Amino acid sequence: DSGVTQTPKHLITATGQRVTLRCSPRSGDLSVYWYQQSLDQGLQFLIQYYNGEERAKGNILERFSAQQFPDLHSELNLSSLELGDSALYFCASSARDSRLNEQFFGPGTRLTVL
Amino acid sequence: AQRVTQPEKLLSVFKGAPVELKCNYSYSGSPELFWYVQYSRQRLQLLLRHISRESIKGFTADLNKGETSFHLKKPFAQEEDSAMYYCALSGYQAGTALIFGKGTTLSVSS
Repeated sequence: DSGVTQTPKHLITATGQRVTLRCSPRSGDLSVYWYQQSLDQGLQFLIQYYNGEERAKGNILERFSAQQFPDLHSELNLSSLELGDSALYFCASSARDSRLNEQFFGPGTRLTVL
Repeated sequence: AQRVTQPEKLLSVFKGAPVELKCNYSYSGSPELFWYVQYSRQRLQLLLRHISRESIKGFTADLNKGETSFHLKKPFAQEEDSAMYYCALSGYQAGTALIFGKGTTLSVSS
C-alpha cells in the first residue's frame, strides 16, 4: 500500500498513561499533518511537519507532542491522557507545503481512554 | 477567526433529486476552499477544490466571496453519493493545514 499508513488501528488505555501514534506518509510526500476528530469538536488540526521540521501548530495541547523523522514518518505522542482525549486521530500527507496540494489521509487511529 | 460552518448535520434526499450541501466560511483574506468526502469504510478523500473549477462525479461547487459560501451541488443524486461530506478551507493564517466544518451526512434513498 503506497498510501498513508497509521498504526495502531485501535488503542485502549487508561487515564494518566502515555501513547504514541505512528504515521507513514505517501512515498515522496514531505508534509505530514495530524488531525483529531471528536464527536463534539469535529475534525481539528493539531500540528504539521514539513521535511523534518515543525511548520504549523493548531489546537494541540501541551501534553501532546509530535516529531517527523529523517525517513519522513511521524509520531504523535499523547501523555497524561484524559477521558476527553478519546478520539480518532488522523494523519495526512501532501507533496509540498502548499495550500494547493491535496492532502491524503490515513485510516486513522481510534484512541479510547478509560 | 477562521471558521467553516456546515449548517446541516444530515441531508436526506431521494435518488434523482437535486442536492445542495451548504458551506459558509469566515476568513479575512482569500482562502482555498475544498470539499472532502468520506464514503462508508473508506478514507477521507478530496472531492473537489474551488481553484480547479471542475466537476467531479457530477458535483460542482462555486465560491461566492460576497456571501462567503462554497455550496456543493449535484443536479441528480445517486445512491452511491451517500457519504459524509466535509467543507474545508486552507489559508495563510492556518498555514497549509485544513480547517474543517463539522460535516454533513448525505443519505440518498431509492
